[in-house]
Amino acid sequence: GQQVMQIPQYQHVQEGEDFTTYCNSSTTLSNIQWYKQRPGGHPVFLIQLVKSGEVKKQKRLTFQFGEAKKNSSLHITATQTTDVGTYFCAGPTTSGTYKYIFGTGTRLKVLA
Amino acid sequence: SAVISQKPSRDICQRGTSLTIQCQVDSQVTMMFWYRQQPGQSLTLIATANQGSEATYESGFVIDKFPISRPNLTFSTLTVSNMSPEDSSIYLCSVWGHGQYFGPGTRLTVL
Repeated sequence: GQQVMQIPQYQHVQEGEDFTTYCNSSTTLSNIQWYKQRPGGHPVFLIQLVKSGEVKKQKRLTFQFGEAKKNSSLHITATQTTDVGTYFCAGPTTSGTYKYIFGTGTRLKVLA
Repeated sequence: SAVISQKPSRDICQRGTSLTIQCQVDSQVTMMFWYRQQPGQSLTLIATANQGSEATYESGFVIDKFPISRPNLTFSTLTVSNMSPEDSSIYLCSVWGHGQYFGPGTRLTVL
């Protein structure tokens, strides 16, 4: 079945270091979304990418959608303790436009 | 952005019992979604709740175990029936806006 995998599963970084999580889908995606879930919280929508090769930035966060629309990445420059949480990518399922399959997630810890 | 509330926020239940989780949205929406997030895991879509029609369930989830009601465009309930410890999870409802907006979740522990 359709799968969305993320690597790494966990990442510990020193504050100020950069961080990247990679998202790989078993199927071509029409779009990809990214969410952040703080410890004890619920997922919060960050961004949606639609075009092949698209790159979007939000302050220290850079999101990229692969040319083949099967992979994506999230890069955080100069991490801060507020970046702590789990980052999920999500793509539409093959069974419905508004139904999304979430990636396995990358849990980020930032050491001060 | 939609504001979503869920009740209860958490509960501890005995196996074999049932729990009904409520989801309230501050605006009318066509579709509401129910997800499960097992401890330390990702989110898995349980079903889509449409007002005026039967909920549609994803593979691995059945109506007898997770009955859903959608009486109007701002409210839905998910019942977890005949619970077992394997049902211990966070249950989240969501709606679409600019991306998906999630409720705060219901943390369920089954003993």
